[in-house]
Amino acid sequence: EIVLTQSPGTLSLSPGERATLSCRASQSIGSNYLAWYQQKPGQAPRLLIHDVFTRATGIPDRFSGSGSGTDFTLTISRLEPEDFAVYYCQQYDSSPPTWTFGQGTKVEIK
Amino acid sequence: EVQLVESGGGLVKPGGSLRLSCVASGFSFSSYSMNWVRQAPGKGLEWVSSINSDSTYIYNADSVKGRFTISRDNAKNSLYLHMNSLRAEDTAVYYCAKSLGWNFDCWGQGTLVTVSS
Repeated sequence: EIVLTQSPGTLSLSPGERATLSCRASQSIGSNYLAWYQQKPGQAPRLLIHDVFTRATGIPDRFSGSGSGTDFTLTISRLEPEDFAVYYCQQYDSSPPTWTFGQGTKVEIK
Repeated sequence: EVQLVESGGGLVKPGGSLRLSCVASGFSFSSYSMNWVRQAPGKGLEWVSSINSDSTYIYNADSVKGRFTISRDNAKNSLYLHMNSLRAEDTAVYYCAKSLGWNFDCWGQGTLVTVSS
């Protein structure tokens, strides 16, 4: 089973600053099966990025994903007030089909 | 507009059973795999179960194998999660989520299941 470890646990930043969130896998993730989700308090998660770097429909271009193998990054180029939330990475393993989430990174207003 | 509306949550005693439902609208339900994901209070997300479009493939997390059963009724645009032998650690908000490829691209607002005596 692949374990995803996100860091930092909490990121304290100001609007306009750049946010860099890390997701590290316990073993190499194949076929770009890595996604990022955003969750605000009291709301369902929202898909931001899939297949490592592809933005989901309607997601602004200040969100970008990168990485390969075991190390992946979500970057928010300039934080907007609505970006303060918890972010989860997720991977898919096809043998057998299972989906795993990281423990989350909270981006809070400094 | 895609909508997923969960229902059926509530308070249940340990060892009890519950059936969750998710009604879908705004897309061709019968063409997509569907999933259940849960979130314990104050905790992260945990994938629970997945079912493909015609119910020929079903996958479950180890934590619920033998206790939870996912099913769907394409004629009713509905997804279900039958939960048996419930434990305190099953307490969570349960989300229904639509698949896009291997991703979960649309989510419902969730239904809370509380397992307590």
